[in-house]
Amino acid sequence: DADVTQTPRNRITKTGKRIMLECSQTKGHDRMYWYRQDPGLGLRLIYYSFDVKDINKGEISDGYSVSRQAQAKFSLSLESAIPNQTALYFCATSDLGGRFYNEQFFGPGTRLTVL
Amino acid sequence: AQTVTQSQPEMSVQEAETVTLSCTYDTSESDYYLFWYKQPPSRQMILVIRQEAYKQQNATENRFSVNFQKAAKSFSLKISDSQLGDAAMYFCAYRSARGGGSNYKLTFGKGTLLTVNP
Repeated sequence: DADVTQTPRNRITKTGKRIMLECSQTKGHDRMYWYRQDPGLGLRLIYYSFDVKDINKGEISDGYSVSRQAQAKFSLSLESAIPNQTALYFCATSDLGGRFYNEQFFGPGTRLTVL
Repeated sequence: AQTVTQSQPEMSVQEAETVTLSCTYDTSESDYYLFWYKQPPSRQMILVIRQEAYKQQNATENRFSVNFQKAAKSFSLKISDSQLGDAAMYFCAYRSARGGGSNYKLTFGKGTLLTVNP
């Protein structure tokens, strides 16, 4: 089974709809991240969380919100989706450990299309 | 703020040949990590190789190696004996080694699409 899972894998929705993307991990990591990938732009950080009570905005958080329901679950919401939010969304996790434990493990991605 | 630049949007290589992907970055920090991620058509982000800035020795993982030039802020990826399965988008990424706040985030380049010709 995959260590980091995302649901749904693909979603098509309409402008103005509320959408939730979910991420679950079995790696036991404390840190979780949401990134957005657009063609030609690489990945950009939306939100990150160091534990259930610690949630922080990334560089492109406008129009998004998140919820860390448990150590293993981190959800991303689009309150009112707009076509500009059409993108590939990745969840990632990493360990809290020392300098060598810095790899981020990515989920399979959710392709979201807003019509 | 740190920036990562990949100046080659696309590259191609013949199977069994060697190819080098370029990456430069800008930072005022002295301690950081650099990564190369591979994204095949499956969309999965796969870590290929990692380099700690305090290490002078270039990292190597099987057919993948890097040329890390700290003074020049350059971090290129060399793929030897290219295989069809190496075809993918490759992203260079930077992460600060300082603790706290958003320093743990990865800053990505825009990617290089590698095609491997049989």
